[in-house]
Amino acid sequence: GAVVSQHPSRVICKSGTSVKIECRSLDFQATTMFWYRQFPKQSLMLMATSNEGSKATYEQGVEKDKFLINHASLTLSTLTVTSAHPEDSSFYICSASNSRGGSNYGYTFGSGTRLTVV
Amino acid sequence: RKEVEQDPGPFNVPEGATVAFNCTYSNSASQSFFWYRQDCRKEPKLLMSVYSSGNEDGRFTAQLNRASQYISLLIRDSKLSDSATYLCVVTQAGTALIFGKGTTLSVSS
Repeated sequence: GAVVSQHPSRVICKSGTSVKIECRSLDFQATTMFWYRQFPKQSLMLMATSNEGSKATYEQGVEKDKFLINHASLTLSTLTVTSAHPEDSSFYICSASNSRGGSNYGYTFGSGTRLTVV
Repeated sequence: RKEVEQDPGPFNVPEGATVAFNCTYSNSASQSFFWYRQDCRKEPKLLMSVYSSGNEDGRFTAQLNRASQYISLLIRDSKLSDSATYLCVVTQAGTALIFGKGTTLSVSS
C-alpha cells in the first residue's frame, strides 16, 4: 500500500533555531500534502495544504513566514519551523493525497515528528 | 461550534464489554466520513469508513445519519488491544481531513 516516510521522528532544538521536517511518498505521487499539528490531548489541527509546484494555503492563525512549506516535487514536501520557540513544541504530521480520479481520494499519513523546543 | 465534536471520555470498560462512541459534525457539505484510531504518540490509522447504509468490520460497526449529522462507532467484545483514542473524521472530496478531538477508550482485564 501507499507509504509516506516522515523524518525526523523526534527532534529537540534550541529556541531560535529552525527545524526542517520531510515527508516523502515512497510509492505514489503525492499531488497534495496536508500538514497538521497536534498538541497534547487535542485533535489534529490542519496547518496548511500544499499542492505540488504551487504555494501552500495556510489555515487561519498559522503564520506562513514561520512555517515554511515546500512541495517542489510529487514525492517530497517539507515543513520548516523557523525561529522555533517552546510554544511550537508539538506533534507535526503530514498526510499525502493522490488523486485517483473522480472523487475518490486516498490519504496516507507520515509517522509524525515530535518537536521539542528548549 | 467545532466542526467535529466528540465526547472525549475516557471510557473505561472491562474486556468483553460493548462500547459506543458518538460524533456530530457541523458542515452539511461533508461527503466522506471515517473513524481513525490513534495510539499514544503515534500517527492516526484508518479504522473504517462510514456509510449511510452502515458498515461492519468484525467487532466494529459504524453508522452515519446525514439528516442528524451524526456518526457512531460500536465496538463489541472489547479487547485490551482496543485501548486507544478513536477519532471521528469528516471531509469533502479532495480536501483535508477534519478531525474530532478523539474519544479515549481504556479496556481493562
